[in-house]
Amino acid sequence: KNQVEQSPQSLIILEGKNCTLQCNYTVSPFSNLRWYKQDTGRGPVSLTIMTFSENTKSNGRYTATLDADTKQSSLHITASQLSDSASYICVVRGSGGSYIPTFGRGTSLIVHP
Amino acid sequence: DGGITQSPKYLFRKEGQNVTLSCEQNLNHDAMYWYRQDPGQGLRLIYYSQIVNDFQKGDIAEGYSVSREKKESFPLTVTSAQKNPTAFYLCASSKIDGGTGELFFGEGSRLTVL
Repeated sequence: KNQVEQSPQSLIILEGKNCTLQCNYTVSPFSNLRWYKQDTGRGPVSLTIMTFSENTKSNGRYTATLDADTKQSSLHITASQLSDSASYICVVRGSGGSYIPTFGRGTSLIVHP
Repeated sequence: DGGITQSPKYLFRKEGQNVTLSCEQNLNHDAMYWYRQDPGQGLRLIYYSQIVNDFQKGDIAEGYSVSREKKESFPLTVTSAQKNPTAFYLCASSKIDGGTGELFFGEGSRLTVL
């Protein structure tokens, strides 16, 4: 069964600090992996997409990595801001015919001033 | 601007009543989805559709119904058979062919059963 596991479940950091969120998946065959940011009470928005051939991709202060061999991804947030407080969801899409993606449960990040 | 619109944003229902949540998109996407989100849990798929007049059950379809009479619209009805309907409901759409599968979400509808 396709699964996506995220850790930690929740994280509290001080403003200006860095943090790293983890995502492990079992989806196979693999097509791509996305990180979404979901603000409280809003719909998720895509931050970045990783395909099989990509190891690292940055989007401003967000940097995603992918190790397709170990089926692991991480999202690193640099110099956190209060607006980074949100849930970060890892979503993996397979290439085996079904276009339905598999969602992780998300990591809830709280940035304190 | 292209996007996906859900309404209402907040909805209160008495037990035993059916309610319908609206979802409209002008992105010309073929696929549309309904997800349910409960506190501390991930998004769970209720129904999805990839073409007009066709839809499939997701992981938690019991107590819900949908229709897809137009490409742009995918309303969700929460029936009285749904035992625990209080939740945050998210509608999404995506391309199927020629895209990377990015899901575009609406702003959500929060349903509370009184």
